[in-house]
Amino acid sequence: EADIYQTPRYLVIGTGKKITLECSQTMGHDKMYWYQQDPGMELHLIHYSYGVNSTEKGDLSSESTVSRIRTEHFPLTLESARPSHTSQYLCASSEGPRVYGYTFGSGTRLTVV
Amino acid sequence: SQQGEEDPQALSIQEGENATMNCSYKTSINNLQWYRQNSGRGLVHLILIRSNEREKHSGRLRVTLDTSKKSSSLLITASRAADTASYFCATDAAETSGSRLTFGEGTQLTVNP
Repeated sequence: EADIYQTPRYLVIGTGKKITLECSQTMGHDKMYWYQQDPGMELHLIHYSYGVNSTEKGDLSSESTVSRIRTEHFPLTLESARPSHTSQYLCASSEGPRVYGYTFGSGTRLTVV
Repeated sequence: SQQGEEDPQALSIQEGENATMNCSYKTSINNLQWYRQNSGRGLVHLILIRSNEREKHSGRLRVTLDTSKKSSSLLITASRAADTASYFCATDAAETSGSRLTFGEGTQLTVNP
């Protein structure tokens, strides 16, 4: 059973709204990641963190921002949602990805109307 | 272009048959990992193979890695309807500091009862 939780599971929101997608893990992992995935497509890394107060942008440019104030919490924020942000957002964490791989949350499916 | 590219994009087989999926990549890697994703859910880590390993087994899963050809294969033996899912390979590139996985486009496997 994965110990990484994403909320909400589904979100439909109007254009221009500010939203925060929550991601929390109870495993004490230092490394956390956000991926964006369109249906049936590959995952694109948009943000990652190697520990508290450490955040980096990923390979895919994103208008979202992240913060890492606590080890267990890695929220993603969109200041002004647009229809182009409609996608699934997956959060993951790892104890040591070169040994153990990633643990993923169930994802947040975001629809901006 | 994608670091990991799976082949085939879609595979449909009968229960009890074996399923083979292939992954090709472009750069040197520390390791290659395979993940499974049920429709609309997060990914589940299946197996990790290091660059100095050639073959690895886990239950009904067998993974091979050929670093000279920059390719890997995932074999699922005696498939079951419950194996129906998308399967992704992910590479941990050797030249990146830290560890960030790059995912391929996935193979959609359908196992018919």
